[in-house]
Amino acid sequence: DQQVKQNSPSLSVQEGRISILNCDYTNSMFDYFLWYKKYPAEGPTFLISISSIKDKNEDGRFTVFLNKSAKHLSLHIVPSQPGDSAVYFCAASGGSFNQGGKLIFGQGTELSVKP
Amino acid sequence: GAVVSQHPSWVICKSGTSVKIECRSLDFQATTMFWYRQFPKQSLMLMATSNEGSKATYEQGVEKDKFLINHASLTLSTLTVTSAHPEDSSFYICSARDLRRDYNEQFFGPGTRLTVL
Repeated sequence: DQQVKQNSPSLSVQEGRISILNCDYTNSMFDYFLWYKKYPAEGPTFLISISSIKDKNEDGRFTVFLNKSAKHLSLHIVPSQPGDSAVYFCAASGGSFNQGGKLIFGQGTELSVKP
Repeated sequence: GAVVSQHPSWVICKSGTSVKIECRSLDFQATTMFWYRQFPKQSLMLMATSNEGSKATYEQGVEKDKFLINHASLTLSTLTVTSAHPEDSSFYICSARDLRRDYNEQFFGPGTRLTVL
C-alpha cells in the first residue's frame, strides 16, 4: 500500500524554465510534508517542507504547494538550473502522535535540467 | 549544523559474515535515528526506528534478528547485518532527528553501499 506516490518517474526541463514535481498521498493523518533531493550513492538532502496548516511555503527558487482536499502537493523550482538535476523525493509524516515521526517516502522523480 | 555521518561508505563481504554500519550525528544529539534501505531506482524503505536507550522498533517484514540495531548514545546508532547474503546487498541510509529543530525534520547520512558476494 503506497501511501505516498510520485507518479512521474522522470521529468526533463529546459534551463531557466519552471520544474513542477508532483506528489499524492492517501493517508489523511499526514500533517507534515518534506521534499528531499538525492544524488546517486548519496543520502537525501533536505530542501523544503510544509505543515498541513499552510498551503504554500517558499524558499528562494523552491516553492511547495499543498492542496489538502486533493491530498496533493507539488514542488516548483524557478528558474531551473542544470545543478538541480537529481532525484527528488517527497515524504510525509503523521506528526508527533502518529507514526512516531516516521517519514514515508514516495518513489522519487528524476529531474533532468538541460542547458 | 545537523550533519550525519556513516561509516563505512562502502563494504564488500562474503556470504555468511556480519557487517556493522555506524551512524553518527556530528554536531547535535539525536534521541531517535532511522535506518532505511534503498534498492536501485526505488524509494527509501524504512527498516526501523532506533531510540537511544531502548529497543528499536522494526517495520513490518524486517527481521529484527537479522538486522540488529543498537543506539547506545545520543550520537551513535549501529546497524549490524548478521549472516549477510547476496539479497542483503543494498544501499543503507540512516537519518537522525535534531532535538533543536522541528520534530518532523530528519537529516540523512551519506549512505553505505553493502555488497555481499
